Amino acid sequence: EVQLVQSGAEVKKPGESLKISCQGSGYTFTNYWIAWVRQMPGKGLEWVGIIYPGDSDTRYSPSFQGQVTISVDKSINTAYLQWSSLKASDTAMYFCAGRSDPGEFDHWGQGTLVTVSS
Amino acid sequence: DIQMTQSPSTLSASVGDRVTITCRASQSISSWLAWYQQKPGKAPKLLIYKASSLESGVPSRFSGSGSGTEFTLTISSLQPDDFATYYCQEYNSFFMYTFGQGTKLEIK
Repeated sequence: EVQLVQSGAEVKKPGESLKISCQGSGYTFTNYWIAWVRQMPGKGLEWVGIIYPGDSDTRYSPSFQGQVTISVDKSINTAYLQWSSLKASDTAMYFCAGRSDPGEFDHWGQGTLVTVSS
Repeated sequence: DIQMTQSPSTLSASVGDRVTITCRASQSISSWLAWYQQKPGKAPKLLIYKASSLESGVPSRFSGSGSGTEFTLTISSLQPDDFATYYCQEYNSFFMYTFGQGTKLEIK
């Protein structure tokens, strides 16, 4: 059974850095794109970016390019989403999701709530 | 960029009703459309992919149709578990995955 398990909730101050994770199991990790999706409080879903663990090919939504970094550690079947300097507007729930072919997101992590407040 | 517009934004219905949610794309996306269900505090769940293919394990009362720019999600007979928010998502564009703004299905 495919499972994506995300790291726990985080509370940070503006300007701090953060890296959240998404660990995959039950499938061949390197063969399945992993996407990140943002949901701000009370709002809809926004695609952040996507990575192919096999070769670390990474693509970003234009809205998030330069604002976040997506990476992967194949040795522990884990994908990451990181910020170098958080803003209050980064407060949101972040989901990882596995992308099937040709493009639907068929498995989702449980979400990581990121709260940025002074 | 492709824009995805769902209607209505909110829908009030009763158990047993047949309901339809519409999703319109700003340009043709062929059949590269998915539908998701999201309940409060939970991750989205894939219901329909490639416009009309039912994801494994999803009840057959859910169905999808359409191609090009206009798509619909239909629930044939609403059950209590179906009250949630529904999102469409296009994946026609090269490495762009745009969601609709969501439709909240409420109990009348």
